[in-house]
Amino acid sequence: DAKTTQPNSMESNEEEPVHLPCNHSTISGTDYIHWYRQLPSQGPEYVIHGLTSNVNNRMASLAIAEDRKSSTLILHRATLRDAAVYYCIPGRGSTFGDGTTLTVKP
Amino acid sequence: EAQVTQNPRYLITVTGKKLTVTCSQNMNHEYMSWYRQDPGLGLRQIYYSMNVEVTDKGDVPEGYKVSRKEKRNFPLILESPSPNQTSLYFCASSLVSGYEQFFGPGTRLTVL
Repeated sequence: DAKTTQPNSMESNEEEPVHLPCNHSTISGTDYIHWYRQLPSQGPEYVIHGLTSNVNNRMASLAIAEDRKSSTLILHRATLRDAAVYYCIPGRGSTFGDGTTLTVKP
Repeated sequence: EAQVTQNPRYLITVTGKKLTVTCSQNMNHEYMSWYRQDPGLGLRQIYYSMNVEVTDKGDVPEGYKVSRKEKRNFPLILESPSPNQTSLYFCASSLVSGYEQFFGPGTRLTVL
């Protein structure tokens, strides 16, 4: 699996958009990009995944750079329940790094 | 309800006493895996299984065994637990490898 670089932490205000970046410059051409999040005291949960095109679902949007070396998870309106650790995982989705701890302020 | 269950949720044991952590999924998923989570080290994959009777080592398999005799169950076996296996363990399943993974609630293991 490709190595990833994510900021250790980010802060957001409630009801504002949040852009969580991930660098995966060693990704291979066939690797999907998966995003998971882990709420306090819970197991990780799937957020979204994509290959080349931008993707949207009810939880978030995923913007993938044209060269696929980076991606951005977009939470359109952060809520307090979105406070979690967010993991970007290229490949078959089994190598979790340290992720980004998102804090949402009321 | 579609879910992954793990038992026990909490376990305190002593060095060398064999234990099994069970994992079961009700979604007819082919792929199952075990992770451990330690502070500062993130989640690391221990073993995974692509289907019944097919298991493979993950990144940190030493000291662990698994079996996959039925599609729904994927127990994690510690034949001789040691204190460095104190950790939070998660089981996960997905339809096939690379698809959305569903995680269990976790098992917190302490080995004294």
